[in-house]
Amino acid sequence: EAGVAQSPRYKIIEKRQSVAFWCNPISGHATLYWYQQILGQGPKLLIQFQNNGVVDDSQLPKDRFSAERLKGVDSTLKIQPAKLEDSAVYLCASSRPAGLATLVSYEQYFGPGTRLTVT
Amino acid sequence: AQSVTQLGSHVSVSEGALVLLRCNYSSSVPPYLFWYVQYPNQGLQLLLKYTSAATLVKGINGFEAEFKKSETSFHLTKPSAHMSDAAEYFCAVSESGYGGSQGNLIFGKGTKLSVKP
Repeated sequence: EAGVAQSPRYKIIEKRQSVAFWCNPISGHATLYWYQQILGQGPKLLIQFQNNGVVDDSQLPKDRFSAERLKGVDSTLKIQPAKLEDSAVYLCASSRPAGLATLVSYEQYFGPGTRLTVT
Repeated sequence: AQSVTQLGSHVSVSEGALVLLRCNYSSSVPPYLFWYVQYPNQGLQLLLKYTSAATLVKGINGFEAEFKKSETSFHLTKPSAHMSDAAEYFCAVSESGYGGSQGNLIFGKGTKLSVKP
């Protein structure tokens, strides 16, 4: 089966510009996650979708970050305007669970990530 | 609140030597625990997971980890290191239970493993 796809793989922008990242999860995976991985740290969850609804966006800086998952498949993450501290790798992951009554295994499959450099 | 502590940001071993990467967790509910590996410029790949079945978990590439509740640890081991094991390893915890936000992973800061010939 095809893995999680992300694009672009690399992006360099100047501060105050905007940028968007795209993610296509594994077919049939209802849950989609966006993580931010700053150099030297572990990934940190930004937002979790279940189908096209947001489950958790408590750590998303909503003044500049936004995300959507129209039709419950592909997702985009946008930053506007970007700051220097947004330089990081943005990882998308997907997993199988599809409902609150589902006992989940929490196995998440990660894409290769988008490396963002803000200058 | 859940948290993960990985002791040692960098571990170096000789090829053929034992690999031991340490992970301690904090969780107020029975945890699910994971080890992921990340090769340069790639995403994370699941090595193994503990989900309240056997406490000794075997994963891919010869790695295994043991869940010790009394020590709140989930250390990763491999009897004999190979050059291809050089990568960064992340321990992660999530809450057990049913769907929704319990699926969220909390990651440690990672341990970079170097393997010397």
